[in-house]
Amino acid sequence: GAGVSQSPSNKVTEKGKDVELRCDPISGHTALYWYRQSLGQGLEFLIYFQGNSAPDKSGLPSDRFSAERTGGSVSTLTIQRTQQEDSAVYLCASSLSATGTTNEKLFFGSGTQLSVL
Amino acid sequence: GDSVTQMEGPVTLSEEACLTINCTYTATGYPSLFWYVQYPGEGLQLLLKATKADDKGSNKGFEATYRKETTSFHLEKGSVQVSDSAVYFCALRTNAGGTSYGKLTFGQGTILTVHP
Repeated sequence: GAGVSQSPSNKVTEKGKDVELRCDPISGHTALYWYRQSLGQGLEFLIYFQGNSAPDKSGLPSDRFSAERTGGSVSTLTIQRTQQEDSAVYLCASSLSATGTTNEKLFFGSGTQLSVL
Repeated sequence: GDSVTQMEGPVTLSEEACLTINCTYTATGYPSLFWYVQYPGEGLQLLLKATKADDKGSNKGFEATYRKETTSFHLEKGSVQVSDSAVYFCALRTNAGGTSYGKLTFGQGTILTVHP
């Protein structure tokens, strides 16, 4: 597609349930990032993929959070046993590569609004 | 660790007014600095950037100058329009190389509303 696509755009779930959030990056982009935007908190980095590998997972807030990327393309962020504090907008971004002044530009999706009741 | 602090919003202006959104940062080394904008219903998009001290980034009438001595990157526009209404995020990337190269540290965001 023309841009970064995320699905679903909205997800309402009950506390304790597992959720999966999907990101389709721009075709050919090797680097992929997940961020979380909480009310009043700004954007927090969660995880970075280069190809199918995740060299930087330092932002994942707990072991309930995991992510994978397959075929160097689609990525899935999974939150197990969701808690109310997980409610946020989850943003995905991709870039052509992770290095180089020009290629580092991040393109963001519109995000998934997650609400945990 | 790295951090970015933006002036608290929301900011409400009349059309053609001057805009300044303050941004200061704390980082090791010499980071690259960015302003991202999020228009209603859209994803974040890069507005402008500066990669070294004294560089000025500019786009769509907005400007920001990388000031190393004051660790600041304030966003300015001389005459705002209703279409500039959006959330603005200041961000930095530490140029340490390696696997964290594209990782950004964001400020909290500033909501700007421009009235006709």
